[in-house]
Amino acid sequence: EAGVTQFPSHSVIEKGQTVTLRCDPISGHDNLYWYRRVMGKEIKFLLHFVKESKQDESGMPNNRFLAERTGGTYSTLKVQPAELEDSGVYFCASSQGTSPQETQYFGPGTRLLVL
Amino acid sequence: DAKTTQPNSMESNEEEPVHLPCNHSTISGTDYIHWYRQLPSQGPEYVIHGLTSNVNNRMASLAIAEDRKSSTLILHRATLRDAAVYYCMPVGVYSRLTFGEGTQLTVNP
Repeated sequence: EAGVTQFPSHSVIEKGQTVTLRCDPISGHDNLYWYRRVMGKEIKFLLHFVKESKQDESGMPNNRFLAERTGGTYSTLKVQPAELEDSGVYFCASSQGTSPQETQYFGPGTRLLVL
Repeated sequence: DAKTTQPNSMESNEEEPVHLPCNHSTISGTDYIHWYRQLPSQGPEYVIHGLTSNVNNRMASLAIAEDRKSSTLILHRATLRDAAVYYCMPVGVYSRLTFGEGTQLTVNP
């Protein structure tokens, strides 16, 4: 069975441009999470979807970030307009349930560089 | 979110056991203790989790202190593939993972 996939693997854009990251969770996983690691910092939680609903978006840094999960399958994370400090690695993870025992399965990440 | 403290780095020789410690003194009573690791250029990967009792799986063992304020991840025979950053974190009802700085494990051949 396929794991969590993310597209693109790398993206280089200029400040002010828009970038859209995509995540395909493991089939059947209702829960989808976005995390990111910006340069030199720890991996930080961004938001959590349960099916198509945003369960927790407390980690979203500002309104330049928009996450969607239409239909409860894949998710997109759009950054518009991108700023230099948005550079980093964006990870997506999915899980079946939300209990504290659940395992989250991570994708390989999208490496974003804003110039 | 509960705060965790881990050594920045540890070193081991191949085929030897490794004990990776973690302090999570502010853990709440219902939080599970999870360990993940991140190999170079990959996303984090689940290793093991537990609540109170020690746990074993094919990857590792988890020893949890009786007061639950600390835990130790045990790799019984380290291999070169185990070189990674290891993260411990209490996970509660909100289910989001809170990564600290982790421990960079180096395995020497």
